[in-house]
Amino acid sequence: GESVGLHLPTLSVQEGDNSIINCAYSNSASDYFIWYKQESGKGPQFIIDIRSNMDKRQGQRVTVLLNKTVKHLSLQIAATQPGDSAVYFCAETLVNSGYSTLTFGKGTMLLVSP
Amino acid sequence: DTAVSQTPKYLVTQMGNDKSIKCEQNLGHDTMYWYKQDSKKFLKIMFSYNNKELIINETVPNRFSPKSPDKAHLNLHINSLELGDSAVYFCASSQDRVPYNEQFFGPGTRLTVL
Repeated sequence: GESVGLHLPTLSVQEGDNSIINCAYSNSASDYFIWYKQESGKGPQFIIDIRSNMDKRQGQRVTVLLNKTVKHLSLQIAATQPGDSAVYFCAETLVNSGYSTLTFGKGTMLLVSP
Repeated sequence: DTAVSQTPKYLVTQMGNDKSIKCEQNLGHDTMYWYKQDSKKFLKIMFSYNNKELIINETVPNRFSPKSPDKAHLNLHINSLELGDSAVYFCASSQDRVPYNEQFFGPGTRLTVL
């Protein structure tokens, strides 16, 4: 379970609502971004990615938006379900570095009520 | 058919002890990683190995020593454990070191140092 006083930003929504999770990334040179989902007691799981030459990418029920001007990423989840409850992380990297070093953001907890 | 597995899942030990965490992946990947997730859920890269060679070594105390006996295994040995080492440690793997290749995470090992 989660620690008491975790102090993660938390988004609480009702089942069926659309959710928007925001992330401010740190390195203006980063050119590849990923959203991960981490359920309680499990490792992070890839959701969707986007390259810096795009500003929007859609997957199944999820959309990632990238605003390089303000170094901002968002993850939109359509028709949120209880199974979407998890901590969501954005991660950034610089492809030209040649290595897959991901820098993770702080995480946002999404709580979905039935 | 677990992709990335770690043992043990929980590890409780006294300060000053030496312990190891094992990681195995059956995905045929040639790059493996260790991450540390602290009590605030902040996830940070520690090490990365590509084809058994160390390619990323973040500022981690030298009490932490990764060992890769082959491409499918990356173990983490920790000497003289300290209270601050308490965290969840995640192993991950990816195909090659290219950032566009998805990293697959293990279930994590929760280390508690008393």
